Amino acid sequence: AQSVTQLDSQVPVFEEAPVELRCNYSSSVSVYLFWYVQYPNQGLQLLLKYLSGSTLVESINGFEAEFNKSQTSFHLRKPSVHISDTAEYFCAVRSQGGSEKLVFGKGTKLTVNP
Amino acid sequence: GAGVSQSPRYKVAKRGQDVALRCDPISGHVSLFWYQQALGQGPEFLTYFQNEAQLDKSGLPSDRFFAERPEGSVSTLKIQRTQQEDSAVYLCASSLSGLYGNTIYFGEGSWLTVV
Repeated sequence: AQSVTQLDSQVPVFEEAPVELRCNYSSSVSVYLFWYVQYPNQGLQLLLKYLSGSTLVESINGFEAEFNKSQTSFHLRKPSVHISDTAEYFCAVRSQGGSEKLVFGKGTKLTVNP
Repeated sequence: GAGVSQSPRYKVAKRGQDVALRCDPISGHVSLFWYQQALGQGPEFLTYFQNEAQLDKSGLPSDRFFAERPEGSVSTLKIQRTQQEDSAVYLCASSLSGLYGNTIYFGEGSWLTVV
């Protein structure tokens, strides 16, 4: 079984500041890792994912996440945030074999203030 | 369609009433998932289909919850004798297949309020 811990439920930052949203996972098997974003009154959208290869993965809108196997972490970072990045961010894992289901963390609400 | 479509988007049910929530996955997607998202929480897995076969229903909270996908496309989540704790957003998602971490696409959800 897998579990995901997102240590911060809310992260307020000012526009153009850097941000890091933390994600740690627990699993007895190898996993794939995902970050989803949920804008107000919208569905979940995939932001980025780690499947294999380079441990640093990037999204088209400037976010990046690094898979650290020894620390079982997949933290999400952006060097300079915009007001439009205000949303809830969910980290998720699934096992590389077996069930396709995603296991989600409780989410981190990112609020970018002017 | 272009994305995962869910209906109704909003449903208010009286306690004890039965409800049915519909999901139209992306055309051609083999895998279909249902999740429950309570207010302020992350999505919790309910059940999973591959085509018409329900491969995992370990997340269904009680025997009042039932899901089906009889022709391997549209799916219905049915909740019998609704209770207040069933109030949540019910998310449907689909993917091409289970192979190699295919992206799972989510619908906008069906918001259920039990009064």
